[in-house]
Amino acid sequence: GIQVEQSPPDLILQEGANSTLRCNFSDSVNNLQWFHQNPWGQLINLFYIPSGTKQNGRLSATTVATERYSLLYISSSQTTDSGVYFCAGVNSGGYQKVTFGTGTKLQVIP
Amino acid sequence: DAEITQSPRHKITETGRQVTLACHQTWNHNNMFWYRQDLGHGLRLIHYSYGVQDTNKGEVSDGYSVSRSNTEDLPLTLESAASSQTSVYFCASSELRAGAYYEQYFGPGTRLTVT
Repeated sequence: GIQVEQSPPDLILQEGANSTLRCNFSDSVNNLQWFHQNPWGQLINLFYIPSGTKQNGRLSATTVATERYSLLYISSSQTTDSGVYFCAGVNSGGYQKVTFGTGTKLQVIP
Repeated sequence: DAEITQSPRHKITETGRQVTLACHQTWNHNNMFWYRQDLGHGLRLIHYSYGVQDTNKGEVSDGYSVSRSNTEDLPLTLESAASSQTSVYFCASSELRAGAYYEQYFGPGTRLTVT
C-alpha cells in the first residue's frame, strides 16, 4: 500500500523564522497534496503538487517525484501558521485512494 | 461559493445506538469520501464513492456504512455505535481535472463522542 512519512513530528518556531517540512512517499504515489489543519480543526488546502514547485505567498512547496519526496517551506512564520501540516498521497492505481501522513505539528511563538 | 457542509458539528450518543452523519457538497463533484481522525493515526479512509449508487470500503470500514442516492450527499451511518468510534469525522469531495488529478476539499468535521 501507499506509505507517507512526515518529518519532523513537532516543530517550535520563533515568529519570523523560516522552516522546512518534509514528506517522503512510496513509489505508488503519483499525486500529492499539502494541507494545514488550524487549531480549530479546519483542513485547508495548501498545494496540489505532484511535481515541480509552487508558491503561494509565504508558503511554497517542491515535489521531486523521481526521488519520492516533497518539501513545504514556510518563510517569515506567523502565529497564525500554527497547527498541523499534513501531506497526503494518492495512489497511481485504478482508484483514487488518499493516504495521509501523521503530520507535523507546528507552534509559532511570538 | 461551492462548499462542503457537515451536520451535526458535535454529537454525543450512547453505545449501541445508530447514528447518521450528514455530508452535503455543492461542488457537483462525483467523488466523495469519509475519513476519521484520531490522535496518533492521522486521517484514515472509511468509505468512498465515485458517483451515484457507487460505494466502496476504505481501510477502516467495519461498523460503518454509506449510501449515495444523489451527487450532493453521502451520509455516513454507524450501525451500532461503539466507544472505539469516538473520533472526528471529515467528509471530502473531489473531481477529475485536466492532467488527471483529484484535489480533495474537506468539510469542517463532526466531533462524535460515544459514551
